[in-house]
Amino acid sequence: QKEVEQDPGPLSVPEGAIVSLNCTYSNSAFQYFMWYRQYSRKGPELLMYTYSSGNKEDGRFTAQVDKSSKYISLFIRDSQPSDSATYLCAMSAFGNEKLTFGTGTRLTIIP
Amino acid sequence: EAGVAQSPRYKIIEKRQSVAFWCNPISGHATLYWYQQILGQGPKLLIQFQNNGVVDDSQLPKDRFSAERLKGVDSTLKIQPAKLEDSAVYLCASSLQYRRGREELFFGEGSRLTVL
Repeated sequence: QKEVEQDPGPLSVPEGAIVSLNCTYSNSAFQYFMWYRQYSRKGPELLMYTYSSGNKEDGRFTAQVDKSSKYISLFIRDSQPSDSATYLCAMSAFGNEKLTFGTGTRLTIIP
Repeated sequence: EAGVAQSPRYKIIEKRQSVAFWCNPISGHATLYWYQQILGQGPKLLIQFQNNGVVDDSQLPKDRFSAERLKGVDSTLKIQPAKLEDSAVYLCASSLQYRRGREELFFGEGSRLTVL
């Protein structure tokens, strides 16, 4: 079993739709949870960061962490074509800076 | 502010040949990482430097991969001899300091290696 599981997609939705991206994990030591966005032929860039359980909102993006279920989500509201990218979840444990990434979900927003 | 610079962007070699990748992190960033991203997979950490010392190289295939970060600034990653399964994008990242899981990583655009 992989430490971090992520549906690879691809996922295609019409512009303006709400997008839900998810990851599950098995390592209960993970406490820092991140979402990176990676455009084609570019490096990943940090989109959202949360610590432990709870929600965090930034504009059209909301990150949720449910540590009891070992499940994290990223919601994108009013999706735009510019949101088309691969979204990678990543997580790490306290005291260990090593990031463990999911496989990424490839998202396409159709105008 | 300049981002993480990597070169070359693309490299095609035959198996058993050698290749080297170069990375210049963001100025002032003490921590530097090399990740390997195989097509359809998430990045996997190969090696992490704090200044010019190695923090973690547990997933670096040391029989063929080597990396150095002289003077605590730029870094090179070498593969010798290359295998077909080394075909991947090699991502360099840097972060300001070592803060135990809470530091934002800034990635370069990557060096895409194809081994024939």
